[in-house]
Amino acid sequence: SAVISQKPSRDICQRGTSLTIQCQVDSQVTMMFWYRQQPGQSLTLIATANQGSEATYESGFVIDKFPISRPNLTFSTLTVSNMSPEDSSIYLCSALDSPIRYNEQFFGPGTRLTVL
Amino acid sequence: EDKVVQSPLSLVVHEGDTVTLNCSYEVTNFRSLLWYKQEKKAPTFLFMLTSSGIEKKSGRLSSILDKKELSSILNITATQTGDSAIYLCAVDAYSGAGSYQLTFGKGTKLSVIP
Repeated sequence: SAVISQKPSRDICQRGTSLTIQCQVDSQVTMMFWYRQQPGQSLTLIATANQGSEATYESGFVIDKFPISRPNLTFSTLTVSNMSPEDSSIYLCSALDSPIRYNEQFFGPGTRLTVL
Repeated sequence: EDKVVQSPLSLVVHEGDTVTLNCSYEVTNFRSLLWYKQEKKAPTFLFMLTSSGIEKKSGRLSSILDKKELSSILNITATQTGDSAIYLCAVDAYSGAGSYQLTFGKGTKLSVIP
């Protein structure tokens, strides 16, 4: 199984600033995803990070607000831009270990973001 | 829109009790249902269910899928304080253009008290 790390683990940011979250996987993975978990809510998929091309965003999420990069098969970043208190959430990176075990996503430890 | 509903939303039990967590779903192009345990932040994978009526078991945890009723249950027997966590149910479904998506329920927060 893939081991996923995220940086930072937590941050407190001021309104209007941006934060970039890094996700590193210890092996090459076919797909990487970014989720958001707002307090008391379920995990919501933000986007699928595509290697070498633009991310695929879910309804309600746009590239200007959540730019994503995936320069190779083991690394991705998510930027939360022009933050507001409503962006306070846990942001989770996940990855697919193998195209055969496509349903068994592995999750990073998450980044707890607080926007003041 | 795909929907996953879990019940109860929270549950408090004593050590040694047996608990049953419920998950129902409304999705098109269902492929599988997954259970995760979330402690602190990162969910960890428990089970994947694709076939109706076949129980998956791991130690004190077991789960079964009922495709006719569009639901699944997660059972935990002889609960321990270490079982305290949020249990997430997710449904994997084909979302078109060769891609799939996991839709998560809100989770059941289980608290096991000594």
